[in-house]
Amino acid sequence: GQNIDQPTEMTATEGAIVQINCTYQTSGFNGLFWYQQHAGEAPTFLSYNVLDGLEEKGRFSSFLSRSKGYSYLLLKELQMKDSASYLCAVRTGGGNKLTFGTGTQLKVEL
Amino acid sequence: DTAVSQTPKYLVTQMGNDKSIKCEQNLGHDTMYWYKQDSKKFLKIMFSYNNKELIINETVPNRFSPKSPDKAHLNLHINSLELGDSAVYFCASSQDRTQYFGPGTRLTVL
Repeated sequence: GQNIDQPTEMTATEGAIVQINCTYQTSGFNGLFWYQQHAGEAPTFLSYNVLDGLEEKGRFSSFLSRSKGYSYLLLKELQMKDSASYLCAVRTGGGNKLTFGTGTQLKVEL
Repeated sequence: DTAVSQTPKYLVTQMGNDKSIKCEQNLGHDTMYWYKQDSKKFLKIMFSYNNKELIINETVPNRFSPKSPDKAHLNLHINSLELGDSAVYFCASSQDRTQYFGPGTRLTVL
């Protein structure tokens, strides 16, 4: 089966940097996604990693280590609007099946 | 110019009723999905269709029946609603690996 773990909650200060970790144990790994979900809204795509290393996109970066079954999402220069749930999702097999973690609720404070 | 749309946004109904949720995407994507997000915010795949063909069918009670009249539409019909069906149901679509989610339908079964 699949197992994806993320911290349930994190709190950080506006302007700071926060790292949200995700560990996974799956068979047929074929990529890892990060989605952002504001309360009452749809998940929106943030990043995708399939090879080891860091992918940078503006204030957001995502890292993957396939040998360790580990990823993180790095958010820089935090803004109040970054308060949301961050979902780690693993793609498996040749199709497009995503298995989501339970999400990390990030609260950004002044 | 909404990309993935769902109707209705809210649905309140009694136990035992039958209801449908509709989803439409105007992105020209070949693949569509239904997800269920429970009260703990856990997002889980239910079904996926590719060009009107069912390709993912997770362990879901057979009271749930998806229907894809064409590749731009994927509807979800639920028979004999139960209390445990209360959740937010998200539709999504993709062309390759990235899935784009609709705004969700909040179903409350009384």
